Amino acid sequence: DAGVIQSPRHEVTEMGQEVTLRCKPISGHDYLFWYRQTMMRGLELLIYFNNNVPIDDSGMPEDRFSAKMPNASFSNLKIQPSEPRDSAVYFCASSLAYGFEGYTFGSGTRLTVV
Amino acid sequence: SQQGEEDPQALSIQEGENATMNCSYKTSINNLQWYRQNSGRGLVHLILIRSNEREKHSGRLRVTLDTSKKSSSLLITASRAADTASYFCATGYSGGGADGLTFGKGTHLIIQP
Repeated sequence: DAGVIQSPRHEVTEMGQEVTLRCKPISGHDYLFWYRQTMMRGLELLIYFNNNVPIDDSGMPEDRFSAKMPNASFSNLKIQPSEPRDSAVYFCASSLAYGFEGYTFGSGTRLTVV
Repeated sequence: SQQGEEDPQALSIQEGENATMNCSYKTSINNLQWYRQNSGRGLVHLILIRSNEREKHSGRLRVTLDTSKKSSSLLITASRAADTASYFCATGYSGGGADGLTFGKGTHLIIQP
């Protein structure tokens, strides 16, 4: 398995533009998570899905953020409109439910909003 | 907050020495995990210890859990330059353990050659 795949690796966009981050979880994993990492706040859980259904989105900072998981092999996180304070590294992770032994993280998307 | 907190924030040791990092948390947990993050990369799962376990080993890693003190420690023995990274503890609260983990701010470990 290629692991959790995120795209793009880097994204530079202008304030006000829409940004879409993509994630392909490990096949067979029941859970998918979106985290954001900044120096100031560390790793923050934004939202997570179980069997493609959003379970907890209380970490989504504002209505400008939305996430979908249309099928078991794909999720996206959208920011519209983007702001400079959204600049961070966004990670996607997936895990099993049964026999849980930890998360597998993707390599992240470094987002810079100028 | 249910967030785990690592201590120290930064640690610098000589290659070959042992490195010990600590994690404290505030509420009851189902499991506690340690992850490593190399600069510019994603987190890598190292080890998971469940609330009914007290100690676990994996290669050069030893993790302990004291639920009465709400703390855990990660020991890396015979450190190598490749162990230079940030180490995070993460706590899980639900029965199955897979629901959203809460991460600490991490310990930045530097191994001097």
